[in-house]
Amino acid sequence: GAGVSQSPSNKVTEKGKDVELRCDPISGHTALYWYRQRLGQGLEFLIYFQGNSAPDKSGLPSDRFSAERTGESVSTLTIQRTQQEDSAVYLCASSLLAVNTGELFFGEGSRLTVL
Amino acid sequence: AQSVTQLGSHVSVSEGALVLLRCNYSSSVPPYLFWYVQYPNQGLQLLLKYTTGATLVKGINGFEAEFKKSETSFHLTKPSAHMSDAAEYFCAVSRSSSNTGKLIFGQGTTLQVKP
Repeated sequence: GAGVSQSPSNKVTEKGKDVELRCDPISGHTALYWYRQRLGQGLEFLIYFQGNSAPDKSGLPSDRFSAERTGESVSTLTIQRTQQEDSAVYLCASSLLAVNTGELFFGEGSRLTVL
Repeated sequence: AQSVTQLGSHVSVSEGALVLLRCNYSSSVPPYLFWYVQYPNQGLQLLLKYTTGATLVKGINGFEAEFKKSETSFHLTKPSAHMSDAAEYFCAVSRSSSNTGKLIFGQGTTLQVKP
């Protein structure tokens, strides 16, 4: 597709289960970002990938969170042993280059609900 | 560290009235500043940005914002609101000296436009 694609769009899970969220960036975009948006709050940076460089994981809230990216394509965000506070919309964004001009292209997000 | 504060989580205006959404930032280095908009059931999209040069920047759909260093502000305005402007608006900052596009977002302001 032409835009950033995320799946699933909605996920309901039980506390303690693991979940995987997928992001397909725009073709050719070398940089990929994951953000989290809790209800009533702004976007919280989680992790950033740029090409073959080591990812910037500085925003991951705990070791239950991890993410992988295959080359310059698909990324998967994994949350292990989910907790209720993990409930949020997880947003993926990509950009053509790792430049700081901020033109990120966002997907519609994956809404995670942990019961 | 950088931060963004959006004053007012919810702003309501009448159709045809002035739109003013406030954003103040904190940055120890010259910032790059952005406004993103999120329409219902859509991903975030870039509305406008300030990097260098002219401090008054124009974006899509008649919006503009002015970078005021002395006030550490980047307020978003539109002379005449339209019903289609109803959305959530996010102000964001990145480091001009950074080699990544990592953005720090504000908490967002929901704009309601009344007929």
